[in-house]
Amino acid sequence: TQLLEQSPQFLSIQEGENLTVYCNSSSVFSSLQWYRQEPGEGPVLLVTVVTGGEVKKLKRLTFQFGDARKDSSLHITAAQPGDTGLYLCAGLDTGRRALTFGSGTRLQVQP
Amino acid sequence: DTGVSQDPRHKITKRGQNVTFRCDPISEHNRLYWYRQTLGQGPEFLTYFQNEAQLEKSRLLSDRFSAERPKGSFSTLEIQRTEQGDSAMYLCASSLAFGGVNTEAFFGQGTRLTVV
Repeated sequence: TQLLEQSPQFLSIQEGENLTVYCNSSSVFSSLQWYRQEPGEGPVLLVTVVTGGEVKKLKRLTFQFGDARKDSSLHITAAQPGDTGLYLCAGLDTGRRALTFGSGTRLQVQP
Repeated sequence: DTGVSQDPRHKITKRGQNVTFRCDPISEHNRLYWYRQTLGQGPEFLTYFQNEAQLEKSRLLSDRFSAERPKGSFSTLEIQRTEQGDSAMYLCASSLAFGGVNTEAFFGQGTRLTVV
């Protein structure tokens, strides 16, 4: 069974601070996706990374896929209260056709 | 088409009752997935369809659970003889798969089930 471990599980920071969320696995993924989920809603896709070493930026969010395609990170610069939510990484293996999710990082940004 | 649609958004049922949820995927998407998410956890895979064929089922999908996608469009997930442990958010997602490529999965807003 493939496992995706996310850390930290919970993060509470002040507005303006920077943070990094990590997603690690012992398995290789063909692609990895990051989602953000608000309470009572479904996950919303933020980005997909496919190539080892790939870096993608979405405004203040920077996503990186590890060279070996086993891990990924999400870095947020100058966090804002609107960034509050559950951040989920999910990997797609070439051998399976459904995403495997991590347990998520709950981020709270205090104004 | 504005995205994946799930109905109902919320369902409260008594233990032992049957419930059915519906998912309408993005219209051109041929793959449809069902996931379950409990509080504080990431979504867990239940099953997926390519067109009308159910291609994979998780061990989480006990014999009380059944999913269908009869015409390759919308899907239903039925839970028979519900138990309190079935209380969770049930999420549906869809994607487009072609030529060995699977595009991103987009999720619906989920159906929150509470078994009392």
